[in-house]
Amino acid sequence: QVQLVQSGAEVKKPGASVKVSCKASGYTFTSYGISWVRQAPGQGLEWMGWISAYNGNTNYAQKLQGRVTMTTDTSTSTAYMELRSLRSDDTAVYYCARLWQSGGWFDPWGQGTLVTVSS
Amino acid sequence: SYVLTQPPSVSVAPGKTARITCGGNNIGSKSVHWYQQKPGQAPVLVIYYDSDRPSGIPERFSGSNSGNTATLTISRVEAGDEADYYCQVWDSSSDHPVVFGGGTKLTVL
Repeated sequence: QVQLVQSGAEVKKPGASVKVSCKASGYTFTSYGISWVRQAPGQGLEWMGWISAYNGNTNYAQKLQGRVTMTTDTSTSTAYMELRSLRSDDTAVYYCARLWQSGGWFDPWGQGTLVTVSS
Repeated sequence: SYVLTQPPSVSVAPGKTARITCGGNNIGSKSVHWYQQKPGQAPVLVIYYDSDRPSGIPERFSGSNSGNTATLTISRVEAGDEADYYCQVWDSSSDHPVVFGGGTKLTVL
């Protein structure tokens, strides 16, 4: 079955970087995009950006431009999201999700990775 | 940028019909998708392209979209439907192609 499995929880200090992985299985990785969405504690969903697994093209949310980088490794069907210069308000659960580019919906989602930024 | 507005909460008795709205300027011209998120879990797609259901989603879930409002309708509500629901649109021509609504907490009385 189609599945996205993310890396484990992280605790980082302010100013550090974090890199979250998302390993896909059960489908042709390069036929879809991967999007990243985060959710701060008790808050709603915030779109971070997406990457085409076909050609590596990216589109990042403006508020994260310059701090986020999304990449893929097609040899292992894995997507990565790196966020730099972490602040306390980056504390959130980070989700990857398969993007159906034909219509822009996300299905399925990874299980989520909690990133805690604390001194 | 484009804004989607959802009511913070909706309450419904078991067996009744719940309607969750998602407002946006001329949202009827866009494709709307809906997600269900239960506590501690990842979101799950329940409606795409306004009214299509993914496999495995009960027929009790339906969607519509017209004018400035999209609606997720859950018929014969069950206790297990209690969750947060988010609407989302995609505009591939925009610099910010993905917008989520603020989410609606559905409470089953």
